[in-house]
Amino acid sequence: EAQVTQNPRYLITVTGKKLTVTCSQNMNHEYMSWYRQDPGLGLRQIYYSMNVEVTDKGDVPEGYKVSRKEKRNFPLILESPSPNQTSLYFCASSDSGRFHTQYFGPGTRLTVL
Amino acid sequence: GEDVEQSLFLSVREGDSSVINCTYTDSSSTYLYWYKQEPGAGLQLLTYIFSNMDMKQDQRLTVLLNKKDKHLSLRIADTQTGDSAIYFCAENYGGATNKLIFGTGTLLAVQP
Repeated sequence: EAQVTQNPRYLITVTGKKLTVTCSQNMNHEYMSWYRQDPGLGLRQIYYSMNVEVTDKGDVPEGYKVSRKEKRNFPLILESPSPNQTSLYFCASSDSGRFHTQYFGPGTRLTVL
Repeated sequence: GEDVEQSLFLSVREGDSSVINCTYTDSSSTYLYWYKQEPGAGLQLLTYIFSNMDMKQDQRLTVLLNKKDKHLSLRIADTQTGDSAIYFCAENYGGATNKLIFGTGTLLAVQP
């Protein structure tokens, strides 16, 4: 089954404790992306990757890092989480190039105390 | 600039039609999408429309695009309780990436 998976689905942590949210896709997509969803703001792009070893900032990259060492995986790293990073996070993937349909993972709900 | 706006809430009775509206600002957008988010779930692509089209129909869903007014709507015929969800309008930003610009989402509540 073609899918995007994220782990963990739910996470409660404390300020400053490094964490990683994993994202994996089995569709051989070149393009992957991370969004965060906040009430009243919709989804905003954090980082994206056009292919292996190619990543770039989205609209709200502060406080986040990503890596793309393999095509299927695109982890989101919070080196020192803060309460304003409490949010619902979605990973997405698509074929490369413009306008290809993006497929979303189930989301990771993160709470930073 | 990039901005996509939607009304926050819509309530309809089961069996009625629902119309969810969206306005966008980027005239270079080529594809516009509707995603559905059910409680606790990810985003499910419902349908999309290419900007050279005025209308697209897919079973109970009808998408209308008014490119002049930059207005997009999603009509759901014979709305069912299972249609209760948040609906997001999104435009594909006309840049070098595949970035989607999302609206704030419209919560559709279907009353039995």
